[in-house]
Amino acid sequence: SAVISQKPSRDICQRGTSLTIQCQVDSQVTMMFWYRQQPGQSLTLIATANQGSEATYESGFVIDKFPISRPNLTFSTLTVSNMSPEDSSIYLCSVEVSADRIRYEQYFGPGTRLTVT
Amino acid sequence: ELKVEQNPLFLSMQEGKNYTIYCNYSTTSDRLYWYRQDPGKSLESLFVLLSNGAVKQEGRLMASLDTKARLSTLHITAAVHDLSATYFCAVETSGSRLTFGEGTQLTVNP
Repeated sequence: SAVISQKPSRDICQRGTSLTIQCQVDSQVTMMFWYRQQPGQSLTLIATANQGSEATYESGFVIDKFPISRPNLTFSTLTVSNMSPEDSSIYLCSVEVSADRIRYEQYFGPGTRLTVT
Repeated sequence: ELKVEQNPLFLSMQEGKNYTIYCNYSTTSDRLYWYRQDPGKSLESLFVLLSNGAVKQEGRLMASLDTKARLSTLHITAAVHDLSATYFCAVETSGSRLTFGEGTQLTVNP
């Protein structure tokens, strides 16, 4: 498994501002992902955070709105830019880990609860 | 586009009863996950199912996968109140990307 921490755990922000969310893992991982969970909804993948290259974004998500950094194999940030109330969600990072290079599992961080007013 | 459908979306059951949650998906996949989410919490990994016919059990929960039918089930045996939570299935596609079902909100009543 993996121990994943996120900062901040929650924040209340004004529209038009930006917030950077940090994700830290206790071991080196190749695959890191950012998901969004809107209130009462399921999870939607925003992007795959690639170490050493630009993130790969899913349909409906763009780099200008959700810039991502992945400076090393244990850390990533997601910025929510020019926020609007529609960005109020829980943002979760996840990692894929393997104990034996055969069986892989994905684990999720505790999430960052963002409220935009 | 991959679609993942769960049913039911809401399930209210009595303690001691059995029930099954279904997860249908629209394209082939290498891996299917089941997660549990408690209110205000993150996701807890329950099962990873890797191959056709895979069955895994943990306590009162048992998950199975039929890749030919593109169907996974999560069976609850003799439900207890502690199982009340939202359960998600998630299908993995290329690049280890997960597509989630809508979630099943389970309430177990005394």
